Amino acid sequence: AQSVTQLGSHVSVSEGALVLLRCNYSSSVPPYLFWYVQYPNQGLQLLLKYTSAATLVKGINGFEAEFKKSETSFHLTKPSAHMSDAAEYFCAVSDNTDKLIFGTGTRLQVFP
Amino acid sequence: DGGITQSPKYLFRKEGQNVTLSCEQNLNHDAMYWYRQDPGQGLRLIYYSQIVNDFQKGDIAEGYSVSREKKESFPLTVTSAQKNPTAFYLCASSIGTKPRETQYFGPGTRLLVL
Repeated sequence: AQSVTQLGSHVSVSEGALVLLRCNYSSSVPPYLFWYVQYPNQGLQLLLKYTSAATLVKGINGFEAEFKKSETSFHLTKPSAHMSDAAEYFCAVSDNTDKLIFGTGTRLQVFP
Repeated sequence: DGGITQSPKYLFRKEGQNVTLSCEQNLNHDAMYWYRQDPGQGLRLIYYSQIVNDFQKGDIAEGYSVSREKKESFPLTVTSAQKNPTAFYLCASSIGTKPRETQYFGPGTRLLVL
């Protein structure tokens, strides 16, 4: 069965620092992987997705993620954090079923 | 503008009452979904529909019901059988249900119990 683990329910960084949000997945077949962002009391917005075309995926707002099959990981990074990046981030996996499985989320705080 | 609308933004339920959450999309998507979000638990799938007049249970369907009479509408009813309904409810849609397809989300409805 497919599953997603997000390490760290809370991550804090200073403005301008590197952002690294971790996501590990479990899937019996090549997965499709997604990162979504959620601002307070709003729905989820797609940041980026991996669909096997390229292992390094670039998304909106300067975020990118790298698919590493050997590590079963799809970590999200951004070189320089901005105050507006403060939000909750969800990793999700989909394989050969018609369901999307979400991780429990990581709340990112950005300090000035 | 194409998108997904959910109403109301906040909903209050009394003991023993059924309430219905609205979800409408004008994206011409075939598939629609309902998720429940609780703090620290991520999103859990309640029901989904791949086509009009058809829907399937998700992981936590007990105490909920849905209908899909029109392509653009997928209302969710929280019945009195759902004993812990307080949560943030999110509706989503996608073009189809193939694994690579993106799900697009509405702004959510927060349900509170009086």
